[in-house]
Amino acid sequence: NAGVTQTPKFQVLKTGQSMTLQCAQDMNHNSMYWYRQDPGMGLRLIYYSASEGTTDKGEVPNGYNVSRLNKREFSLRLESAAPSQTSVYFCASSEWPAGIQPQHFGDGTRLSIL
Amino acid sequence: KNEVEQSPQNLTAQEGEFITINCSYSVGISALHWLQQHPGGGIVSLFMLSSGKKKHGRLIATINIQEKHSSLHITASHPRDSAVYICAVRSRRTSGTYKYIFGTGTRLKVLA
Repeated sequence: NAGVTQTPKFQVLKTGQSMTLQCAQDMNHNSMYWYRQDPGMGLRLIYYSASEGTTDKGEVPNGYNVSRLNKREFSLRLESAAPSQTSVYFCASSEWPAGIQPQHFGDGTRLSIL
Repeated sequence: KNEVEQSPQNLTAQEGEFITINCSYSVGISALHWLQQHPGGGIVSLFMLSSGKKKHGRLIATINIQEKHSSLHITASHPRDSAVYICAVRSRRTSGTYKYIFGTGTRLKVLA
């Protein structure tokens, strides 16, 4: 029972490079989320997808794009990586955004941008 | 001031001690979520509650909506409880959609 799977687990990029973080869930959840976690700060929402076919900006969307490829998959793209995007990225999913079921998190992707 | 505040930020306890972690929030919420982040980085959901109290094994979570406060208690603490405990609240945006606001976490270390 995999839950939420993120790839890759670690990545080092140079400034200006692009990359896509992948996330897939096997719980048939409708809603998916991308967060970043920085030292001394709580998790901050980058983008979310309340249901298949919809995406919305969170608190810190600048420099990122997302694609809800299908119900299972939600990817996060950095078009031109900047050192300020060095962070740990978490994908999460939940049955519905307003439901009583909690969010389930992936193991995170540690991204360093030099 | 953060909308979700946790205390203490760091906590060291001896094995067997009763532990309390507090979470206070300043926004209207529809639910509150307690999460555990392991030293390896993975995040696990512990509880989601909107009123009263929930218990799972040695963990107890309570919430007081009027006082905008929640506590997470760990009874008979064990070194394997060492982790960062994160409080998150689900709040409704003016647009009608929902958002989660996360605290910065309480780092717990339980010594054998």
